[in-house]
Amino acid sequence: AQSVTQLGSHVSVSEGALVLLRCNYSSSVPPYLFWYVQYPNQGLQLLLKYTSAATLVKGINGFEAEFKKSETSFHLTKPSAHMSDAAEYFCAVTRDGGFKTIFGAGTRLFVKA
Amino acid sequence: GAGVSQSPSNKVTEKGKDVELRCDPISGHTALYWYRQSLGQGLEFLIYFQGNSAPDKSGLPSDRFSAERTGGSVSTLTIQRTQQEDSAVYLCASSRSSQAGVGTDTQYFGPGTRLTVL
Repeated sequence: AQSVTQLGSHVSVSEGALVLLRCNYSSSVPPYLFWYVQYPNQGLQLLLKYTSAATLVKGINGFEAEFKKSETSFHLTKPSAHMSDAAEYFCAVTRDGGFKTIFGAGTRLFVKA
Repeated sequence: GAGVSQSPSNKVTEKGKDVELRCDPISGHTALYWYRQSLGQGLEFLIYFQGNSAPDKSGLPSDRFSAERTGGSVSTLTIQRTQQEDSAVYLCASSRSSQAGVGTDTQYFGPGTRLTVL
């Protein structure tokens, strides 16, 4: 069985500060990992994904995430937060040939001026 | 179309009524997914279609929920005898791959249908 835990339902940072959103997964098989973002009143869109190539994955809008097997983590980071980053972020896991995507509960990011 | 579309965008119904939610996936996408997003919770997987077939219906919350897909395109999620706990945003997504590649697929999401059961 697979599962995803996102630590912190709400994260607040100041504009220009580091963004760190935490995601830990559980999987009995090699996972594929995703970060999706949901802006207010919009659908989810992909930020980045790990599919067993490079462990450091770069995504859109300056975000990146590192797959750490030893820590079963896939934390999302951005060096400098922008007001437009305020949104809800979802970590998700699938497996090879698997169609069932397991999503975390989401982390809402607030960016203060 | 350019993206995944869903209709209606909002639906308010009375307890006990049936509702139908529609999803139009991106043209050419063979995989289609339905999720439910309840307030303060993540996305709950409901069902997946590869073409017109749904290999696993175990995510549907109860036998009041059913879904079909016709012509490998449009999908309809039907909820019979709605209950207040069915109130949520129902999201549809599509992706391009066949079964073998679907695990790595990017899913493209529609804007959702907000269902309110009074």
